[in-house]
Amino acid sequence: KAGVTQTPRYLIKTRGQQVTLSCSPISGHRSVSWYQQTPGQGLQFLFEYFSETQRNKGNFPGRFSGRQFSNSRSEMNVSTLELGDSALYLCASSLGLLFSYEQYFGPGTRLTVT
Amino acid sequence: ILNVEQSPQSLHVQEGDSTNFTCSFPSSNFYALHWYRWETAKSPEALFVMTLNGDEKKKGRISATLNTKEGYSYLYIKGSQPEDSATYLCAFNGHGGSQGNLIFGKGTKLSVKP
Repeated sequence: KAGVTQTPRYLIKTRGQQVTLSCSPISGHRSVSWYQQTPGQGLQFLFEYFSETQRNKGNFPGRFSGRQFSNSRSEMNVSTLELGDSALYLCASSLGLLFSYEQYFGPGTRLTVT
Repeated sequence: ILNVEQSPQSLHVQEGDSTNFTCSFPSSNFYALHWYRWETAKSPEALFVMTLNGDEKKKGRISATLNTKEGYSYLYIKGSQPEDSATYLCAFNGHGGSQGNLIFGKGTKLSVKP
């Protein structure tokens, strides 16, 4: 069974630009959640999508948004990039809502904002 | 502001030692507690999802207990092996104002020497 895949794996953007990251879940998984990992803040939860609807959300500004498609693939968008958005972005998929089901993580996208 | 504390911050043990570490979280409005293992250069791996007071979960040599009334969870590793070297993270989800968010601790970094 193929694991969670994320594209691209590495990305360099300039401050003020926007970026879209993609996550393909394990086949049959309906939930996709997104996380940001930085040295200063550690791992932080961004949001979760289940059946194309955002179900849970962390404490991030509205510049961070996402969506989920009917095939459960998800995208995360960050608009008006700031230097502090440089981070490893992870997605994870699970059979059901993440607070009750085991999650499987992808390899991450390393975003650098210059 | 919800706080999830993990102790110790780091731990160095010899192969064969048994070890344990702690995750402390708010004792009110508990919904779920997650444990993860994150090895360097790999993706996080979910270990346990715990939802009931008194829960005990086991996976191989790793086990966890949960006390929601006093707000703590212990993770135990029996007979540590070098491959257990990783950062162990816990994450808390509560009801009410925090419902929908997953708050991570800073982790316990375990190093097992052969």
